[in-house]
Amino acid sequence: AQSVTQPDIHITVSEGASLELRCNYSYGATPYLFWYVQSPGQGLQLLLKYFSGDTLVQGIKGFEAEFKRSQSSFNLRKPSVHWSDAAEYFCATNTGTASKLTFGTGTRLQVTL
Amino acid sequence: NAGVMQNPRHLVRRRGQEARLRCSPMKGHSHVYWYRQLPEEGLKFMVYLQKENIIDESGMPKERFSAEFPKEGPSILRIQQVVRGDSAAYFCASSRESRNSPLHFGNGTRLTVT
Repeated sequence: AQSVTQPDIHITVSEGASLELRCNYSYGATPYLFWYVQSPGQGLQLLLKYFSGDTLVQGIKGFEAEFKRSQSSFNLRKPSVHWSDAAEYFCATNTGTASKLTFGTGTRLQVTL
Repeated sequence: NAGVMQNPRHLVRRRGQEARLRCSPMKGHSHVYWYRQLPEEGLKFMVYLQKENIIDESGMPKERFSAEFPKEGPSILRIQQVVRGDSAAYFCASSRESRNSPLHFGNGTRLTVT
């Protein structure tokens, strides 16, 4: 079965610093990949998605992610983090016939001023 | 243009009571998904429904849990005879079509069983 691993449970960065959140997937074929963000007490908001084509995907709020088949990775990046980016970030994959997602355990981002 | 609406936001039940969680999908969306999020964990798929049909319930516990999405009205996730281990955040998501449509999530219902 497909799975998603987020190796970093908690990351702290300074405001203005660059950010990279790691995500590795396990699946034989090319998966559909997603990054979601969850603010405290809120639902999940889609940041970006990869289905096929260009392996560098641009999302909302200045985020981007790169699909690397050779590394089975889909890491999320942002060149300059803002304090409002503090939240929990989930990587997810969908390899089924519907939009049924398998989520990673999440990475909690803390931003220091 | 309302998003996915879930109510109540918070629900407290004593052990043995029933919990009923409601979800109204986004306008134009006919696919509904329920996920459960335990503390410090990611979301786990529970069930996928279309109008009047359960398409995939592979993530639903075999007992006490049921879901429906009637022709009229919201989708309902029902938990009978709740236990402490049912305490979690339950999220509903909807999509327009299957597979290629991204999911839009509600803000969740936080169930606490005392």
